[in-house]
Amino acid sequence: DADVTQTPRNRITKTGKRIMLECSQTKGHDRMYWYRQDPGLGLRLIYYSFDVKDINKGEISDGYSVSRQAQAKFSLSLESAIPNQTALYFCATRAGGTNTEAFFGQGTRLTVV
Amino acid sequence: QKEVEQNSGPLSVPEGAIASLNCTYSDRGSQSFFWYRQYSGKSPELIMSIYSNGDKEDGRFTAQLNKASQYVSLLIRDSQPSDSATYLCASFTGGGNKLTFGTGTQLKVEL
Repeated sequence: DADVTQTPRNRITKTGKRIMLECSQTKGHDRMYWYRQDPGLGLRLIYYSFDVKDINKGEISDGYSVSRQAQAKFSLSLESAIPNQTALYFCATRAGGTNTEAFFGQGTRLTVV
Repeated sequence: QKEVEQNSGPLSVPEGAIASLNCTYSDRGSQSFFWYRQYSGKSPELIMSIYSNGDKEDGRFTAQLNKASQYVSLLIRDSQPSDSATYLCASFTGGGNKLTFGTGTQLKVEL
């Protein structure tokens, strides 16, 4: 089983619907991140969390919200999905400290029609 | 100005050649830097990390860091077709709180 698991892997939803992407990890890391990836734009940070009580906005948080239900779980919600939120979404985790690598989930391909 | 910048490419090199990938960053407080490889539709995987000025070698890969010039590079020796992928440069910015990625450089190794 993967250390960082994202569900669902693929999702097609309609404009205006609420959708939640889930991420769980078994690495015991306290830091978790949500990124979206669009062609030519690289990975852009949506939200990040250092523990269940610490949630921070990234560079593109508008239209998204998150919930850190436990150290191992970090969910991303689109309250009212719109077509330009169609993208590949990645969850990542890392241990504390600056010299630690990030580990990624398999990604969720979201299409908003 | 983006916090981490890369040339999007594509960078094409013949098989067996050295591929040189470059990255610049704007936050002088950045302390650690990472190179990830990403195949199309897959998740990024770590290739190299570097924290100190100078070179760090691991097999066919060498990472170079120059903090004075705010410059990070990745050299791939004896490039193979399997190295064809997008290479993402990342650093911790904002006082070490955010992991920020560049847009990635697409590398194509041609037979």
